[in-house]
Amino acid sequence: EVQLVESGGGLVQPGRSLRLSCTTSGYTFGGYALSWFRQAAGKGLEWVGFVRSKTYGGTTEYAASVKGRFTISRDDSRSIAYLQMNSLRTEDTAVYYCGRSNGYFFDYWGQGTLVAVSS
Amino acid sequence: QSALTQPRSVSGSPGQSVTISCTGTSSDVGSYNYVSWYQQHPGKAPKLMIYDVSKRPSGVPDRLSGSKSGNTASLTISGLQAEDEADYYCCSFAGSSVVFGGGTKLTVL
Repeated sequence: EVQLVESGGGLVQPGRSLRLSCTTSGYTFGGYALSWFRQAAGKGLEWVGFVRSKTYGGTTEYAASVKGRFTISRDDSRSIAYLQMNSLRTEDTAVYYCGRSNGYFFDYWGQGTLVAVSS
Repeated sequence: QSALTQPRSVSGSPGQSVTISCTGTSSDVGSYNYVSWYQQHPGKAPKLMIYDVSKRPSGVPDRLSGSKSGNTASLTISGLQAEDEADYYCCSFAGSSVVFGGGTKLTVL
């Protein structure tokens, strides 16, 4: 059974950093890209970025709203992906989801972890 | 990248059909056959319902169907059931990025 579990969320002050983890199981992690998304309370889904599989260079892409502040990485040996969030802003407050990228869609999602940016 | 445009809400009675539109541009929906649709119940993670415009993952009922014409994609749910009441989001590949619609709340009357 494919599973993705996010962790690392919490309350953080503006300007500080936080690292989220996406721990996966049930599939060959290294064979797929991994994406991050977020959803502010009462709002829609927003794509944050993704990391390609090593087959495709392990390169990353980001939404304009987080580019230069957020970094996605992957550890294929541990089947974990990370979202490093720096220079956090109040508008980054959201539930953050990770999802398996299968081609150009996202077929498995985690349950999400809440990040609250507030002083 | 601007969000795709969806109606904020649609509704229908049990057994009826509803269609949710998703309008993008020639840079996303119009250029790629990589539109997907996600269902989200309150407090839950999104669930993939349609991918590559019209394909259904295993386990998704054939009451759901997807299509695309030009810059607009559509999700049709026929034979509405109470369990279909949820938020629905369209999503499109857009070159090196991904864009979502703002979401549509489906109410089953």
